[in-house]
Amino acid sequence: QKEVEQNSGPLSVPEGAIASLNCTYSDRGSQSFFWYRQYSGKSPELIMFIYSNGDKEDGRFTAQLNKASQYVSLLIRDSQPSDSATYLCAVQPPFGEKLTFGTGTRLTIIP
Amino acid sequence: DGGITQSPKYLFRKEGQNVTLSCEQNLNHDAMYWYRQDPGQGLRLIYYSQIVNDFQKGDIAEGYSVSREKKESFPLTVTSAQKNPTAFYLCASSDTGQPQHFGDGTRLSIL
Repeated sequence: QKEVEQNSGPLSVPEGAIASLNCTYSDRGSQSFFWYRQYSGKSPELIMFIYSNGDKEDGRFTAQLNKASQYVSLLIRDSQPSDSATYLCAVQPPFGEKLTFGTGTRLTIIP
Repeated sequence: DGGITQSPKYLFRKEGQNVTLSCEQNLNHDAMYWYRQDPGQGLRLIYYSQIVNDFQKGDIAEGYSVSREKKESFPLTVTSAQKNPTAFYLCASSDTGQPQHFGDGTRLSIL
């Protein structure tokens, strides 16, 4: 069983709509959760992180965490063509600095 | 400018050769990491170091070696024992309890 699972996509969303990306994890004790954006051929860039249950908003991005159901999601409002990328979910266990990454969801915003 | 510098950007390895990838950071971060990314896959941890002169194996350490003689430097050597070295190699660093940030990566190929 994979420790961090993401739908690989591709996920296609019309420009201006809301893109919803999901991630589930197996370690119930996980404490910290990260979303990275990776453009083709480039390195990952941190866009959001969340530690507590509930929602965290930053501009057009909202991260949602539900520890009881062991999932974390990323919502992108007013999607732009520049949001087209692969989004990587990463999970950090308690008492450790190591991250476990999902395989990523490829998002395409259609103009 | 503060950041993480990886070099070279592209590297070619001959059969039986060891090659060393450089990673330097001027962010004063304690922790540094090396990941490998293969097409369509997430990031897999090779080695990490949380303090100078100490490092731990990650999930796929076989065929790789590292050193951490200075806080700002964490070079990765891909040895001839690594039979499938072609991949995108990413170095990251972080403060304790803070998100990891990545360098621009090194693409390694076999000649």
